[in-house]
Formats: sequence, structure tokens, C-alpha cells
Amino acid sequence: GDSVTQMEGPVTLSEEAFLTINCTYTATGYPSLFWYVQYPGEGLQLLLKATKADDKGSNKGFEATYRKETTSFHLEKGSVQVSDSAVYFCALKVQTGANNLFFGTGTRLTVIP
Amino acid sequence: DTAVSQTPKYLVTQMGNDKSIKCEQNLGHDTMYWYKQDSKKFLKIMFSYNNKELIINETVPNRFSPKSPDKAHLNLHINSLELGDSAVYFCASSQDRGQSSPLHFGNGTRLTVT
Repeated sequence: GDSVTQMEGPVTLSEEAFLTINCTYTATGYPSLFWYVQYPGEGLQLLLKATKADDKGSNKGFEATYRKETTSFHLEKGSVQVSDSAVYFCALKVQTGANNLFFGTGTRLTVIP
Repeated sequence: DTAVSQTPKYLVTQMGNDKSIKCEQNLGHDTMYWYKQDSKKFLKIMFSYNNKELIINETVPNRFSPKSPDKAHLNLHINSLELGDSAVYFCASSQDRGQSSPLHFGNGTRLTVT
């Protein structure tokens, strides 16, 4: 079935460190892939997306590339800030099926000054 | 203007009570959702409506009943509340069911059942 496997956290980094959060997926077709971010006490916000293989989504210094050959969509940022502390969710959406949206389990990131 | 708004933000109630959570979106989207987020941040879809028609009804106790009076509103009614219902409930919407349509989330309703 369709699913998302996300790197378990929590992840703690110092400010300006490089961030990678791994995400791999299983899907029967060609899904769209998303990263969402949840700041404390808030709902999820779309961070970036990619809808086909080799697409790169980017926003606020974060990037992720849709890799069909490795079925991955890893989130990266070159230099994290304290304000990036949040929970990050990888998700995929497929065209078919009643339930066509699947979320990973979330990865908590804490950035310390 | 808030795109997806849900009320109340906090809800504290006793076991056995009946409560409702309201959700409205002003984005003109066709599809709306209810998610439950547990204490470990795991998100589980509960229901989805597309143009007022129920399209996703996951394994949820029938004490939970969604109602969509129009495509801009999706309310959640919960009967006979139990301790295990304590969680954060998120409403969301998307332009349509297409696979490239991202979800837009409300800020959540934290339900505490005592």
C-alpha cells in the first residue's frame, strides 16, 4: 500500500548547522510529495512540494528533491535558525483511492543558539 | 483573514458529554478534512468531504459524526465523549482531490476529556 517513512526524531542542532530529515515513500503510482511544518500550538503549514520526478521544491531556505530512483524526498537546509524549531511532516498524495493522502510520523527539530 | 478557522481552540469537558467543533474555510475549496493528532504528533485522517459528499470515512467510532451544510463548512460532532478522545483535532481543506492539491490546515482544537 501507499505509505511514508520518515526519519525518527527528535533532532537537535546548533544554529547554522546543516539539516537533513530523511523521507522515503512507497506508492503504486506516481505521487505528489509534500513537506509540512508545524510550529508549537499551530496547525500544519505547507513548506514545499514536488509533483513529479526530479522536481525540486524550495521555500524559506528549505529544499527537497523528488527522487524516483530512490523513492525519497529528503528535506535539507544549509543553515538552520532557532526559529526553524518545529515538527516536520513528509506526506504523499496519490491520484486514486478514497484516501489518497498519507503523512509520515513527524520529526521534531530543536535548534539551539 | 484566516483561511481555515475552527472553533473552539480549547475544549475541556467531562466523560459522557456531547460536543461539537466547527470549521469554516474561505478559500473556495471543494474538499475538507478532519484529522486527529495524538500526543505523539501522529496524524490520523478521520473524514473527508468533497462538495458536501462524504468520501473518506476511516475506522472511527460512530460516536463521531461529521456534517457539511455547505462546501465551506465541515463540523464535527462527538457523542458520549471518552478519555481516549483527548487529542488535537485539525480541520483542513484542499482545492480539490487532485494529487497536486496541498492541504491548508486550521490551528486545531485541543480537546481534553476528564
